[in-house]
Amino acid sequence: KNQVEQSPQSLIILEGKNCTLQCNYTVSPFSNLRWYKQDTGRGPVSLTIMTFSENTKSNGRYTATLDADTKQSSLHITASQLSDSASYICVVVLTGGGNKLTFGTGTQLKVEL
Amino acid sequence: NAGVTQTPKFRVLKTGQSMTLLCAQDMNHEYMYWYRQDPGMGLRLIHYSVGEGTTAKGEVPDGYNVSRLKKQNFLLGLESAAPSQTSVYFCASSYLSPGEGRAQYFGPGTRLLVL
Repeated sequence: KNQVEQSPQSLIILEGKNCTLQCNYTVSPFSNLRWYKQDTGRGPVSLTIMTFSENTKSNGRYTATLDADTKQSSLHITASQLSDSASYICVVVLTGGGNKLTFGTGTQLKVEL
Repeated sequence: NAGVTQTPKFRVLKTGQSMTLLCAQDMNHEYMYWYRQDPGMGLRLIHYSVGEGTTAKGEVPDGYNVSRLKKQNFLLGLESAAPSQTSVYFCASSYLSPGEGRAQYFGPGTRLLVL
């Protein structure tokens, strides 16, 4: 079983709407949790990086939250745009394993007119 | 500033052939990584390097070799390609370890098909 589980697997929303993507993880202890955006045919791009002590981190219309007690993170996208169509990947970096990241399989988001 | 570049973008190999994937970064990063991405799976670390002249095994190193002779370049070699190595390969680099909260910068990927 993947130690970083993301839901939903895919999502379709209308332009201008908000959405929230979920990430549940079992790996611990961790030093930081990341969210990446991966456009089709491209490499992942970092959106947010949160340490275990942070609850929230924003990057423009993207806001990530972290609940270390329940081992859950979410990525909220506000006022979606067509360019938000991509795969969003949750990544956990273990403490002591600083070069080894555990990647989720991603949520495929499609924003339609 | 090109960031992280990968060569080639796409390649078709026959089983048993060899090839080398090249990754180059112009950000003076110490750390470099090779990942593979397969459908339905998260990215998996093949090999990584924490500085010029160093390499280390990742999660799925079998069938691959790497070299970091220059700080800006990280080469991934397949000595005898197998169909199971059909994948998209991503190179990444970072100034410091991801464990220290630094972002990784990814290249555009190399799509490899082994027949």
